[in-house]
Amino acid sequence: AQTVTQSQPEMSVQEAETVTLSCTYDTSENNYYLFWYKQPPSRQMILVIRQEAYKQQNATENRFSVNFQKAAKSFSLKISDSQLGDTAMYFCAFKAAGNKLTFGGGTRVLVKP
Amino acid sequence: KAGVTQTPRYLIKTRGQQVTLSCSPISGHRSVSWYQQTPGQGLQFLFEYFSETQRNKGNFPGRFSGRQFSNSRSEMNVSTLELGDSALYLCASSVGQAANTGELFFGEGSRLTVL
Repeated sequence: AQTVTQSQPEMSVQEAETVTLSCTYDTSENNYYLFWYKQPPSRQMILVIRQEAYKQQNATENRFSVNFQKAAKSFSLKISDSQLGDTAMYFCAFKAAGNKLTFGGGTRVLVKP
Repeated sequence: KAGVTQTPRYLIKTRGQQVTLSCSPISGHRSVSWYQQTPGQGLQFLFEYFSETQRNKGNFPGRFSGRQFSNSRSEMNVSTLELGDSALYLCASSVGQAANTGELFFGEGSRLTVL
């Protein structure tokens, strides 16, 4: 079974600064997808960024970028130029082909003005 | 385009009762997944339906069941409620079978409190 671990329960960052969230996963699969989802307070969860394991190039979406290290089974998220609206729970998720999406325990990010 | 709609948003039940939660996916989406979110266990997969068939199932007891209708709307039912069933139940939809893409669109959830 796949497991996803987020070792940082909570992080805070000053507005306009950069914060990096860690995620590690365990799998014997070779083809899979990795995701970061964001859940703002009392609002619905949305997809932030997605990475296919077969792609070596790290995914980027505006201020959000990932550092995907396949051999190390690591998938960190960097939020640059943090904004107040980035305050949320962030979930790392893993999906192998044909299987369900497995989420990590989440990291609470607080952006301070 | 309307997002994923879950009803009811909040509900309170007592132990032993049963509850039915509803989810209307985004128009055109045929897959619906259900997750239970609690502070202690995080996000746990319940089941996924695609074209009215259950495609994947998580490790929950048989008290948890679901179904999907021909219009892709889905319901989940929890019978003989226990205190530990108190949680936010999230529904997510995707265009194709979620097992293929993993990109899910979530609703705001139904918060169930069991007293």
